[in-house]
Amino acid sequence: DAGVIQSPRHEVTEMGQEVTLRCKPISGHDYLFWYRQTMMRGLELLIYFNNNVPIDDSGMPEDRFSAKMPNASFSTLKIQPSEPRDSAVYFCASSTQGVVETQYFGPGTRLLVL
Amino acid sequence: KNEVEQSPQNLTAQEGEFITINCSYSVGISALHWLQQHPGGGIVSLFMLSSGKKKHGRLIATINIQEKHSSLHITASHPRDSAVYICAVSFGNEKLTFGTGTRLTIIP
Repeated sequence: DAGVIQSPRHEVTEMGQEVTLRCKPISGHDYLFWYRQTMMRGLELLIYFNNNVPIDDSGMPEDRFSAKMPNASFSTLKIQPSEPRDSAVYFCASSTQGVVETQYFGPGTRLLVL
Repeated sequence: KNEVEQSPQNLTAQEGEFITINCSYSVGISALHWLQQHPGGGIVSLFMLSSGKKKHGRLIATINIQEKHSSLHITASHPRDSAVYICAVSFGNEKLTFGTGTRLTIIP
């Protein structure tokens, strides 16, 4: 198995632009998590899905952030419009049974908003 | 408030030393994870615990539910163990709350 796949690996954009991050979970994993990592706040959960349905998006910082999972093999995290404070590493992870089972992390997308 | 605390924040040791990293949490949990993040940034899950002890190679993770405490031990440490080790817990739901991490440096 290729593991969790994220794209792009790096993204540099200007303030105000739309950014779309993509994730392909491991096949057969019912849970998908989006995390953000910054120096100031460490790792934080943004949103998670179970069977393609968003379960908890309380970690999404504001309305500029949105996430979708149109099918079991694809999810997107969109930021519109982007701001410099959104600069971070965004990780996607998947698992078979939520937090009571091992989570497999993607390589992350390093986002820089200028 | 649901909190996770790790200690120490930074740890430098000589190759071969026995390493202990600690994680304490404030209230009851349903699961505790130990993660490893290498300098390149990738995150790997090392263990998921809800009770007792687990061992994988030179790594051992223990959890004491009553004392709300977990430890990660590394025996015969090696420079390739140099990484940030992160404790994460679930406070009875599907969400993980993360500690701030312990930066481990093993000197040859």
